[in-house]
This record gives sequence, C-alpha cells and structure tokens, in this order.
Amino acid sequence: QQPVQSPQAVILREGEDAVINCSSSKALYSVHWYRQKHGEAPVFLMILLKGGEQKGHEKISASFNEKKQQSSLYLTASQLSYSGTYFCGTERGSDSWGKLQFGAGTQVVVTP
Amino acid sequence: AAGVIQSPRHLIKEKRETATLKCYPIPRHDTVYWYQQGPGQDPQFLISFYEKMQSDKGSIPDRFSAQQFSDYHSELNMSSLELGDSALYFCASSYTRLNTEAFFGQGTRLTVV
Repeated sequence: QQPVQSPQAVILREGEDAVINCSSSKALYSVHWYRQKHGEAPVFLMILLKGGEQKGHEKISASFNEKKQQSSLYLTASQLSYSGTYFCGTERGSDSWGKLQFGAGTQVVVTP
Repeated sequence: AAGVIQSPRHLIKEKRETATLKCYPIPRHDTVYWYQQGPGQDPQFLISFYEKMQSDKGSIPDRFSAQQFSDYHSELNMSSLELGDSALYFCASSYTRLNTEAFFGQGTRLTVV
C-alpha cells in the first residue's frame, strides 16, 4: 500500500517554512525520508520508528504520529539547497522489511 | 566513504534485447534492493536480497530476474526488453533488517529504443 504524500508540490522563498505529510492506511513500523535532486539518487535524510519520535537533520525535522499513521517533514528557514523532490518511504514491519514503499513525492522549489 | 556502485551508468538497448545491470553495495552491507523509477515517477520496489537470498518481491516483471552473489554484489537481468522498461534503475544497500537507512547508488539509466 503506497503511502500518500501531500502536497504534491510547494514553492518557497528562501527562509520560509514548509510541511510535507506522509500518511498510510496501514500500521507502520517506520518511515524513511529521502530527498532526490533531478537525475540523481535519493539521499537519505532520516528514519523514524513507531513510538512517535521526532528527529532532525540540519534545519529539517520530522515527526511520526503512530495513532494517525502519519509522518510530517518540517523544512524550517528553507535554503536554496533544499530544492528537490522529497519522498517518504514506509515499512510495515517484519513482513515487509526492506520493501520500502515510496510515496509519489513532493516537489519543493526554493527561490531566492 | 565507499558508496553503492552501479554499472553501467547509461545503457541503450533495442526492443527484445537483454540487459544486465550490476550493483556493488557498500562494504559489509548485507541487504540489496532494486528500484525502478520512471520519468516523473516515484521509485517502485522491484526486489530485495538479504544475505544472498531473495527476501521480497515487488512489482518485478517475470521477464526480469535478479540474484545476489557470494561477494554481495547483485545483478538485475532484464530480457525481452520493452519500450516501457526505459527508466532509471536504482540499487540501494543497507546493513541488517529494519531500522537502517538504505543508501542509493547513482542509478543506471536504461533507454529502450
């Protein structure tokens, strides 16, 4: 079951904030966040395990709401380098380990 | 630091031909995943291996097969290529099951003409 990401795209000015959501209709074990620049490989940002933890990577942080089966990625004080497509990947547990199901992606464009 | 290495980076094949993509995981990583990403699409999981055994299958066509060798490198074999197989094929590796991030290679861009 592919996770659902929203919004599909967001345009920001440098320094602005944005939130990207990733939700699943199935119980999740973990949520992975990746950023992909055009024509390049997805780059790992962070992984969140069930338990509602929150993590950060530079000024990018994320949370995982186990009750809602939803993860949110927060881009704070965005920089030009944040531009790219953000994918969430989900694992449902031991029956699907390694089988990351990616969302359709959220394209982020940060302008000067 | 060593990364996931994929070869070739670019490949052009004709319809009905065969292609073999190679993936060399990060040293000591025991898990390899293959993904297919069409233009403007999200990566689609194809297949994964753990300790040289196939562990899970996704949306991999029957025309495709893959294996992981004793040195942990993996090969994706694609036969009877179709135009729709044109895509970026990523290999990723990780260490142990769950809780660990997958590191992606730079991908192989396959174009079927």
